Amino acid sequence: EVQLAESGGGLVKPGGSLRLSCAASGFSFSTYSMNWVRQAPGKGLDWVAAISSRSDYIYYGDSVKGRFIISRDNAKNSLFLDMTSLRAEDTAVYYCARDLVVGATRGTFDVWGQGTLVSVS
Amino acid sequence: DIQMTQSPSSLSASVGDRVTITCQASQDISKYLNWYQQKPGKAPTLLIYDASNLRTGVPSRFSGGGSKTDFTLTINGLQPEDFATFYCQQFDKLPYTFGQGTKLEIK
Repeated sequence: EVQLAESGGGLVKPGGSLRLSCAASGFSFSTYSMNWVRQAPGKGLDWVAAISSRSDYIYYGDSVKGRFIISRDNAKNSLFLDMTSLRAEDTAVYYCARDLVVGATRGTFDVWGQGTLVSVS
Repeated sequence: DIQMTQSPSSLSASVGDRVTITCQASQDISKYLNWYQQKPGKAPTLLIYDASNLRTGVPSRFSGGGSKTDFTLTINGLQPEDFATFYCQQFDKLPYTFGQGTKLEIK
């Protein structure tokens, strides 16, 4: 079964740092681009970052650029999001999501994890 | 950034109804438009990609249409499990952006 499982969320003070992880299983992780998408409590979806299958293309949303770093370890089927200088407005459930098409950074999210909550307070 | 505007923001309907949700992009995005469904406490799921392509496994009562700046999601014959929040999303240009969501509730 194709699965994504996030971990690493929690309560952090403003200005603090946190590392999120996403463990992938059931598919060839190294051939897909991956993304982080977040959702503030009671709000809509907000794309955060994308990374291509071999990490040669990396993109960020404007609100996290310079503060967050997306990375991956294909040998360990894992995706990461290193978050620094955290702000109250970063409070959200963070989802990792797979891109639809093998080998392409396409922006279509066909598999999602269950999410991990980050609270900045 | 490309702004995505959905209407209505909320909608009440009955089982068996036909409903249409619209999504407007602030500029031409061709057919680079996806639709997602999200139920309370759950992650979103992809329903339709490239404006009109039904994802495998999604019931045929869901359909999508449109191009350039105006798009629709239609559900023909609402079922109890369809009540949820729906989001459109453009992937023509980075950053990828979502509409604000349409909450579909039972009348």
